[in-house]
Amino acid sequence: GDSVTQMEGPVTLSEEAFLTINCTYTATGYPSLFWYVQYPGEGLQLLLKATKADDKGSNKGFEATYRKETTSFHLEKGSVQVSDSAVYFCALSRRAGSYQLTFGKGTKLSVIP
Amino acid sequence: DTGVSQDPRHKITKRGQNVTFRCDPISEHNRLYWYRQTLGQGPEFLTYFQNEAQLEKSRLLSDRFSAERPKGSFSTLEIQRTEQGDSAMYLCASSLGRLAGPKDETDTQYFGPGTRLTVL
Repeated sequence: GDSVTQMEGPVTLSEEAFLTINCTYTATGYPSLFWYVQYPGEGLQLLLKATKADDKGSNKGFEATYRKETTSFHLEKGSVQVSDSAVYFCALSRRAGSYQLTFGKGTKLSVIP
Repeated sequence: DTGVSQDPRHKITKRGQNVTFRCDPISEHNRLYWYRQTLGQGPEFLTYFQNEAQLEKSRLLSDRFSAERPKGSFSTLEIQRTEQGDSAMYLCASSLGRLAGPKDETDTQYFGPGTRLTVL
């Protein structure tokens, strides 16, 4: 079945540091890929998405590129802020049927001043 | 656009009681999803509606769980005879399920704030 594997957390970075959160997936066909963010006490917010190979999703300084050859969708940001502290989830949607999302376990990011 | 709303935000109940949660999707979204999220885990799919029809259910959805979406608008998720293992965050999401101008919104899901259930 479909699966998503994220790097284990928690990740602690200093403000303005470079962020990478690794995500790899297993799925048949050509899924859409997503990053969602969950701030403390809140629901999931869509951060970015990509729907085909070599697409780059971007939002709020975050980027991720759909790499079909390595089945990866790593999240990056050049300079993190304290306000980026949250849990980040990588997810895929097989573009058929219910389009249900399959999530990774999440990576908790803490950014310290 | 007011986003996906869920009610209640928190529910504490005793084992064996029944609970019902409500989800109001973004208007005009024809697809509605329920997910369950336990501590330290990603959300897991429970069930899916296309308009008023429940088209898919996960194996996680035992026969104590029932979901409805009358008239294809809001949805309810009921858990009968709750067990301590039902304690989790229950998330609702909706999607437009089609192209929207230049944006492909076929599979983009927007989540509500969730209902946190605690079973004592």
